[in-house]
Amino acid sequence: GAVVSQHPSWVICKSGTSVKIECRSLDFQATTMFWYRQFPKQSLMLMATSNEGSKATYEQGVEKDKFLINHASLTLSTLTVTSAHPEDSSFYICSAGRGEKLFFGSGTQLSVL
Amino acid sequence: QKEVEQDPGPLSVPEGAIVSLNCTYSNSAFQYFMWYRQYSRKGPELLMYTYSSGNKEDGRFTAQVDKSSKYISLFIRDSQPSDSATYLCAMMSGASYDKVIFGPGTSLSVIP
Repeated sequence: GAVVSQHPSWVICKSGTSVKIECRSLDFQATTMFWYRQFPKQSLMLMATSNEGSKATYEQGVEKDKFLINHASLTLSTLTVTSAHPEDSSFYICSAGRGEKLFFGSGTQLSVL
Repeated sequence: QKEVEQDPGPLSVPEGAIVSLNCTYSNSAFQYFMWYRQYSRKGPELLMYTYSSGNKEDGRFTAQVDKSSKYISLFIRDSQPSDSATYLCAMMSGASYDKVIFGPGTSLSVIP
């Protein structure tokens, strides 16, 4: 069964609005979760590492004010795309490590009109 | 040279065929090797996980790691149309998930 749950799976929003995506680890605690972005026919691009109880670590080139990450509990991380624009339209995926294995959520397709 | 290279395909095979998917890598420090299956607009699903060299089998799937050649493979026996997806290899040197390197993925189509 699913180890990591991600919601929503699909969201359409107007330009200028903010969108929140949730990522939950099921039946285990994840002090660290990861957020990726994936463009069509391309591989995963790590955006940021979400750390429970502290600030997220962003990869080079990722705007931390645009992509707000909150990891308020050991089972929940959220990614908020603020003031979304059409260029933010993409597939966003979260993941969490359990033991030595990395598990992914089901992904969120964001479309900004 | 990219850290991980993978033929993007697309690869098309008839149902029942044996499929061979491969990745090469340049970092000899990689110790953990994974294969993921990703259906369109879904998150990657962990198929196989291997530590260091050797073979691992799980049902119709076999993963092989040859560290001396820096080459990993995933074999799918008796391929089914439901195996049609993109297959991503991934690897890391330690259990540092922020350092996981993904291949670009190979698109596979199994034709009934």
